[in-house]
Amino acid sequence: EPEVTQTPSHQVTQMGQEVILRCVPISNHLYFYWYRQILGQKVEFLVSFYNNEISEKSEIFDDQFSVERPDGSNFTLKIRSTKLEDSAMYFCASSDPLTLSYNEQFFGPGTRLTVL
Amino acid sequence: DAKTTQPPSMDCAEGRAANLPCNHSTISGNEYVYWYRQIHSQGPQYIIHGLKNNETNEMASLIITEDRKSSTLILPHATLRDTAVYYCIVRYRRGGSNYKLTFGKGTLLTVNP
Repeated sequence: EPEVTQTPSHQVTQMGQEVILRCVPISNHLYFYWYRQILGQKVEFLVSFYNNEISEKSEIFDDQFSVERPDGSNFTLKIRSTKLEDSAMYFCASSDPLTLSYNEQFFGPGTRLTVL
Repeated sequence: DAKTTQPPSMDCAEGRAANLPCNHSTISGNEYVYWYRQIHSQGPQYIIHGLKNNETNEMASLIITEDRKSSTLILPHATLRDTAVYYCIVRYRRGGSNYKLTFGKGTLLTVNP
C-alpha cells in the first residue's frame, strides 16, 4: 500500500540553525500539507500546498518557514532560523483529488525536531 | 469548521465493541464528520467519514444522528492495537479543495486485555 515517507525520523539542531524536513508524498497525490505537534499538545495545521503554491497557511507559518516541491517527488519544509519553541513532531500529509476519498489525508510517520 | 466535543478518555475491553461519541451541535448542512486516530507518536490515520447516512468500512462504523448534531464511531471488536487518540473532525468536503484538518484533543481510547 502506498504511503507517505519522511526523513529524517529525528533531527537535532542548534538554535538559530536552518533545518530542512523532507517528505515524499504518495505519488499520484496533488495536495500536500505540513502539520506539527508539540509534545503533549494538539496536532496543528501549518500549511497546505497545491499546484506549486501555498493554498493556505496558519499563523504559525511565519517568514521563518517555507515549503517547496523541488522535483516531482519531494515536498520540503524549511525553517530558516530555528527557535527552541520549534521543537515538535512535524507531519507531512498528502491527498488525492481524483478519487472519491479525495479529502482523506494520508500522513507520514513524522520527523521529531529537537532544537537545543 | 464546526466545533466538536469528545470525552477525554475511555476504556474498552479487548474483543468488545468500542463506542466513541462526538458532539457537533453547530454542524452545517455542507459539513462532513471525519474520524482520524493517532497511535502513540505516529502520524494521524484516517478512519471514516460521513455526511448524514451511517457508514461502514473495514475499520469501523460511523453512526450519525438524524439531526446530525452528534455521531458515534464504533470499533466492533477492539484489539490492543486500537489503543490510540481518536479525533472527531467536522469540515467541508468539496472537490478540488484541500481543506486543512483542525484537530482537537480527541478521546484517548485504552483497550485493556
